[in-house]
Amino acid sequence: GQNIDQPTEMTATEGAIVQINCTYQTSGFNGLFWYQQHAGEAPTFLSYNVLDGLEEKGRFSSFLSRSKGYSYLLLKELQMKDSASYLCAVRVYNAGNMLTFGGGTRLMVKP
Amino acid sequence: GAVVSQHPSWVICKSGTSVKIECRSLDFQATTMFWYRQFPKQSLMLMATSNEGSKATYEQGVEKDKFLINHASLTLSTLTVTSAHPEDSSFYICSARAEQGHNGYTFGSGTRLTVV
Repeated sequence: GQNIDQPTEMTATEGAIVQINCTYQTSGFNGLFWYQQHAGEAPTFLSYNVLDGLEEKGRFSSFLSRSKGYSYLLLKELQMKDSASYLCAVRVYNAGNMLTFGGGTRLMVKP
Repeated sequence: GAVVSQHPSWVICKSGTSVKIECRSLDFQATTMFWYRQFPKQSLMLMATSNEGSKATYEQGVEKDKFLINHASLTLSTLTVTSAHPEDSSFYICSARAEQGHNGYTFGSGTRLTVV
């Protein structure tokens, strides 16, 4: 199976930068996804990494190191609306290429 | 973009009754649909993977006779919670692969089930 770990909660200040880490142990790795989820809503796609390195998309960046089984999501210029849960998910090569989610990190942005 | 419509968005039912949740892919064909369950302040836990025209694959610990999945067409998958109990109260979300691509996973809006 897969083992995906990320911090349970984080707090940051509006306008600051925050890094949310995710470590994973899996076989048949085929990509890592980051999703944002507000309470009571469905997850929304943020980023995808399958090769090592940094992917930047506006205020959000995601990094992957396959050899270390490590990824992080970087949020810049934090806004109050960024308060949400951030889910790390790993895709593996198997029937249907399903996603396995980590426990999620609840981020609270304070003024 | 690809849209998955999930209904109902919330439902309250009595213990012992059954509830059906529908997920429809509106502008694409979903050969595979994933069903997740999410308890408060927890992450998404995969319950089962359904493939159009074949039996669903259930994750360990998920009772296939209690959570009936039907994927009879390329645009519709249903999850029926049979003989619901209060511990089945949760947020159920479906997800489909719209295309062969890194961001090809589209989620439904979720169903909040409360069993009283």
